[in-house]
Amino acid sequence: KAGVTQTPRYLIKTRGQQVTLSCSPISGHRSVSWYQQTPGQGLQFLFEYFSETQRNKGNFPGRFSGRQFSNSRSEMNVSTLELGDSALYLCASRQGDSGNTIYFGEGSWLTVV
Amino acid sequence: GDSVTQMEGPVTLSEEAFLTINCTYTATGYPSLFWYVQYPGEGLQLLLKATKADDKGSNKGFEATYRKETTSFHLEKGSVQVSDSAVYFCALTTSGTYKYIFGTGTRLKVLA
Repeated sequence: KAGVTQTPRYLIKTRGQQVTLSCSPISGHRSVSWYQQTPGQGLQFLFEYFSETQRNKGNFPGRFSGRQFSNSRSEMNVSTLELGDSALYLCASRQGDSGNTIYFGEGSWLTVV
Repeated sequence: GDSVTQMEGPVTLSEEAFLTINCTYTATGYPSLFWYVQYPGEGLQLLLKATKADDKGSNKGFEATYRKETTSFHLEKGSVQVSDSAVYFCALTTSGTYKYIFGTGTRLKVLA
């Protein structure tokens, strides 16, 4: 069974640009969540989706947005990139509702220059 | 709000030494507790979990017991190997929040 797949794995963007990251969950998993990992702030929750509905959102500015499609695939978008957005963005999927284990992808490394 | 506190790293041990990584938590509800491990350049992998008080999670020689009275979930391994070198994260989730809260991570380095 394939794991969580994230694309692209690495990307470099310029300040002010926008970026879209993609996540394909494990087959049969309907919940997708996103986390930002930085050396200074550690792992921080961005948002969680279940059946195309956002159920929770972390404390990030409105430049960070996401969505989930009917096939459970998810995308996150960051607009007007800032240097501080450089991070590893991790997607995780879960089979059922809350309380089950989440499984992470390998992440998308974003560098903003 | 809910939070997880882990011991600061890095932790450097010789092969076959005993490992303890401390983790304590604060939660308003009844959390499930997890240990994840991250190898260089990779995402997080589930190491073990416990969903209620006094449960013991175990995997690959690692163990952790959910202690409600001390709000702790310390990770232990009796004999570490060089291949255990990684960053270890303690985490919790509470039903209905749909999010995980992670500790800052503890880097473990095992020397041959």
